[in-house]
Amino acid sequence: DAGVTQSPTHLIKTRGQHVTLRCSPISGHKSVSWYQQVLGQGPQFIFQYYEKEERGRGNFPDRFSARQFPNYSSELNVNALLLGDSALYLCASSLVGLAGGPGNEQFFGPGTRLTVL
Amino acid sequence: AQKVTQAQTEISVVEKEDVTLDCVYETRDTTYYLFWYKQPPSGELVFLIRRNSFDEQNEISGRYSWNFQKSTSSFNFTITASQVVDSAVYFCALTPQGSTLGRLYFGRGTQLTVWP
Repeated sequence: DAGVTQSPTHLIKTRGQHVTLRCSPISGHKSVSWYQQVLGQGPQFIFQYYEKEERGRGNFPDRFSARQFPNYSSELNVNALLLGDSALYLCASSLVGLAGGPGNEQFFGPGTRLTVL
Repeated sequence: AQKVTQAQTEISVVEKEDVTLDCVYETRDTTYYLFWYKQPPSGELVFLIRRNSFDEQNEISGRYSWNFQKSTSSFNFTITASQVVDSAVYFCALTPQGSTLGRLYFGRGTQLTVWP
């Protein structure tokens, strides 16, 4: 079975540009979460979507937005890119959307490495 | 507030040595989940274990073992007879019960290097 997939693998943008990152969850998983991992740090939570609704948002500016499609895939959009947005963006999927019980393990994709020049 | 501390930034060992990675957490929630993930150089986070706050039994999986001590808010991870393939960054993470699952709180990670 395919794991979580993300595209593109790498991306180079300049300041002020817009970027869209894509994620396909494991088949049957309805929850998708996005994380930003700056070099040398642990991942930071950006968003969670479950059943196509936003269920959680981390401490990120409004330049960051996301959505989930009927097939449960997801997009993360970042507007007006800043140098500080350079990071590895990770997508994770899980069966359920709330902590507790079986099925709440999150499985991560390989990430998209974004470089902002 | 939720917080995970991994005080060891880097650890180096020689193959076949045992190594313990420390994780200390802070939470006011009485029910929560703890996780360990492995991040090899490829970047993908690999799920290793989930433990809920009501289950303080230690767990062993092959060369891996986990020691959960609620009294000291610690969830340490031991690799026995380490191998070069164990070289990676290891993250400890926490999520409180009832929160959106997505809100995993990660520590800063411990870079483990196993030398042949």
